Amino acid sequence: GQNIDQPTEMTATEGAIVQINCTYQTSGFNGLFWYQQHAGEAPTFLSYNVLDGLEEKGRFSSFLSRSKGYSYLLLKELQMKDSASYLCAVTGGGNKLTFGTGTQLKVEL
Amino acid sequence: DSGVTQTPKHLITATGQRVTLRCSPRSGDLSVYWYQQSLDQGLQFLIQYYNGEERAKGNILERFSAQQFPDLHSELNLSSLELGDSALYFCASSVAGTENTGELFFGEGSRLTVL
Repeated sequence: GQNIDQPTEMTATEGAIVQINCTYQTSGFNGLFWYQQHAGEAPTFLSYNVLDGLEEKGRFSSFLSRSKGYSYLLLKELQMKDSASYLCAVTGGGNKLTFGTGTQLKVEL
Repeated sequence: DSGVTQTPKHLITATGQRVTLRCSPRSGDLSVYWYQQSLDQGLQFLIQYYNGEERAKGNILERFSAQQFPDLHSELNLSSLELGDSALYFCASSVAGTENTGELFFGEGSRLTVL
């Protein structure tokens, strides 16, 4: 099976940097995804990591360490619109994409 | 707009009833996935279809069933509804048959309320 852990809530200040961590345990590994979900809306894709290292995409970066079963999502220059739930998801054996319960990020002035 | 269309957006029904949720994937996408999201559970994978065939199964109850039609749209049937089935049901699509080779595009969801 697959198990994904991420903090339930985080609060950060507008303009700052925040790092959202995700640890996972899976039988087989075929990639890790980060999705953003605003309340009541559909999740939208942010990033995909399959190899170790950092993937940068604008203000968002995602890091993966397969040996440690660890990933983080880094958000820079935070904006109020970044207030949302951030979902870590892992594709393991059987190609099922399993989502964590999400980290609710609140950006304050 | 992800290009994935789900209907209905909202549905209110009673316990014991049966409902059908419909999903049209993005043009060109062969895979359709169904997820259930309730407040305390996060996104739970239910089932995946690829080009009309069932590809992967998650924690889908026996009271639930799904299918993908030749035109690639999909329907999720929920029967003998219980209060605990109240949730947001998302459909997602992707080009590939395996989830590790591409991102998923989610519809806006169907909010089911069972009274």
